[in-house]
Amino acid sequence: QKEVEQDPGPLSVPEGAIVSLNCTYSNSAFQYFMWYRQYSRKGPELLMYTYSSGNKEDGRFTAQVDKSSKYISLFIRDSQPSDSATYLCAIFTGGGNKLTFGTGTQLKVEL
Amino acid sequence: GAVVSQHPSWVICKSGTSVKIECRSLDFQATTMFWYRQFPKQSLMLMATSNEGSKATYEQGVEKDKFLINHASLTLSTLTVTSAHPEDSSFYICSARSPRTGNQPQHFGDGTRLSIL
Repeated sequence: QKEVEQDPGPLSVPEGAIVSLNCTYSNSAFQYFMWYRQYSRKGPELLMYTYSSGNKEDGRFTAQVDKSSKYISLFIRDSQPSDSATYLCAIFTGGGNKLTFGTGTQLKVEL
Repeated sequence: GAVVSQHPSWVICKSGTSVKIECRSLDFQATTMFWYRQFPKQSLMLMATSNEGSKATYEQGVEKDKFLINHASLTLSTLTVTSAHPEDSSFYICSARSPRTGNQPQHFGDGTRLSIL
C-alpha cells in the first residue's frame, strides 16, 4: 500500500464548476498537509498548507483534513480554465524533512 | 516572486556527458535543499537531501556516484548527473525550506528538463 493515494484523473469539468480533489494516507504520524499546483513543465507551487483537522479557506480554494479518516481534500470554487493543471497532495511528519507526494490529479477546466 | 531558482531549465546532451544543475535560494539561506526527479505523468520522488557543509543524504536506490550533490554555500546546491544515459532523462526539481519558518513547506524551483540522446 502506498503511503499516499491520489486518483490521477484526468478530471474534466466545465468552467464555473466546483472541483473536489482528494487524497488518502496510511501513516497516522503525518501531521502537515499541503496542496501544490503544477503546470506543465514547471515546478510545484504551494496552494494550501494546514496541520490540523478541519477546513482552511483561501479565496476560491478550501483545504479539508480529516485525520480520523486519514483523508484530505481540496475544493476549488468557480473553477477557471487557468486552474487547469496537476494538483499534488503532499504530507510530512513534524521534525522530518521528507515530503511524501501523491501521484497528482490532472485537472482540465473547459470553457 | 520565485524564491528558489533553478538553472538551466532545459538541457539536451549526448550520452556519456556529465550535466550540472544549479539550485539557488534567492531571498533566504537554506541549510537544507532537496532534489527530486519526476518522470512523465508521475509524482515527484525524492532523490536526496542536500546539507550545507556536509554530505548529502541519498534515498534508497539512488546511486551516490551517479548523482553528485554539492552544497557549498547557504544559497546554492548543485546536482551533477555523471555519465548520463538516456534512462536518466527526466525532470529534475529542487526545493528549499527557509530556516526561519520551521516546519513550513518547501519552495520549489521550476525544474530542469534533462534529455539525453
